[in-house]
Amino acid sequence: EDKVVQSPLSLVVHEGDTVTLNCSYEVTNFRSLLWYKQEKKAPTFLFMLTSSGIEKKSGRLSSILDKKELFSILNITATQTGDSAIYLCAVKKSSGDKLTFGTGTRLAVRP
Amino acid sequence: GAGVSQSPSNKVTEKGKDVELRCDPISGHTALYWYRQRLGQGLEFLIYFQGNSAPDKSGLPSDRFSAERTGESVSTLTIQRTQQEDSAVYLCASSFLLHSGNTIYFGEGSWLTVV
Repeated sequence: EDKVVQSPLSLVVHEGDTVTLNCSYEVTNFRSLLWYKQEKKAPTFLFMLTSSGIEKKSGRLSSILDKKELFSILNITATQTGDSAIYLCAVKKSSGDKLTFGTGTRLAVRP
Repeated sequence: GAGVSQSPSNKVTEKGKDVELRCDPISGHTALYWYRQRLGQGLEFLIYFQGNSAPDKSGLPSDRFSAERTGESVSTLTIQRTQQEDSAVYLCASSFLLHSGNTIYFGEGSWLTVV
């Protein structure tokens, strides 16, 4: 059975801190890994990672994939209260388009 | 519209009643997904439609759940004889073709409360 495990489950930090969120996976025929940010109901897309070792960056957020060790990390530097959200990791297989999601990491950034 | 549209945004229903949730995908998106998210939990895959192919129904939790999609347009998720454990946000998403590198875009969800 395909598995996506995120850690930590929840995290509380202060503004300005740097955080690292983890996502490990066990899937057959892996194709890509996606990160989403969920603040209210609808997750919004952050990154899609397909190749190992290539960092994707968007402002204070960055992510990298390790296909040998089967994990990805999402880094947020200089955190702000607006970064408070659930961060979801999802994995896509090469066959079909179904995404398997992890349970998410709930991040709270305190002023 | 520009995004994935879902209705109703909130629905309170009595246990045992049937409910229908609607999803309008982004125009031109061939793939449509339904996910369920219970309070404090992750997204649980329900069903996936891709063009005219047979849908992937592997995530539907019981035969009380069904979904339809006509062509590449609107989809309806139906829950019959609702139970309290069906209370959740039901999220719809659509994409053009994931394997071509596109991502999926979520609607705002339909929050279902079964009392």
